[in-house]
Amino acid sequence: GDSVTQMEGPVTLSEEAFLTINCTYTATGYPSLFWYVQYPGEGLQLLLKATKADDKGSNKGFEATYRKETTSFHLEKGSVQVSDSAVYFCALSDSSEYGNKLVFGAGTILRVKS
Amino acid sequence: NAGVTQTPKFQVLKTGQSMTLQCAQDMNHNSMYWYRQDPGMGLRLIYYSASEGTTDKGEVPNGYNVSRLNKREFSLRLESAAPSQTSVYFCASRGVLSPLHFGNGTRLTVT
Repeated sequence: GDSVTQMEGPVTLSEEAFLTINCTYTATGYPSLFWYVQYPGEGLQLLLKATKADDKGSNKGFEATYRKETTSFHLEKGSVQVSDSAVYFCALSDSSEYGNKLVFGAGTILRVKS
Repeated sequence: NAGVTQTPKFQVLKTGQSMTLQCAQDMNHNSMYWYRQDPGMGLRLIYYSASEGTTDKGEVPNGYNVSRLNKREFSLRLESAAPSQTSVYFCASRGVLSPLHFGNGTRLTVT
């Protein structure tokens, strides 16, 4: 079945450092890909998405590019802030833009120190 | 703007007890979902309801039942709680062309 693999955390960075969180997927067909963020004590929120190969999703300084050839959707940010500390989840859905069922990765904890 | 509201926020049960987790959304969304979140495993889908009057099993439905009471409300019931059901439970809803909107979760401990 479909699956998502994320790099294990926690990832600890100093403020203004460059961030990469790796995400690879296995899926039949052409899934849509997502990054969700979970701040402490809250539910998940959509951070960005990409629906087809070579699409780049971006939001709040975060970016991720849908790479079909490497089945990857790595999350990047050029300069992290303390407020970015959260858990980040990579996810995929079936071929429709949002799909009826999302498959999530295990999540990566990001801690940013001032 | 309430969004997705879950109750209770915390619950402790003894093995064998039953309880119902409540979820309501005010965004007029058709689809609603129940996920559980466990360390190292991400979120796994328990049940979902694509529209009012329908429910379907997700990845981990055993030990749970659901009711789509109306368009707004989607409840999750544990008939006989087990320690393996200790988890954080999230309800979510989605419109036709929109991403999932999550509630803030219910932290359940079964002793």
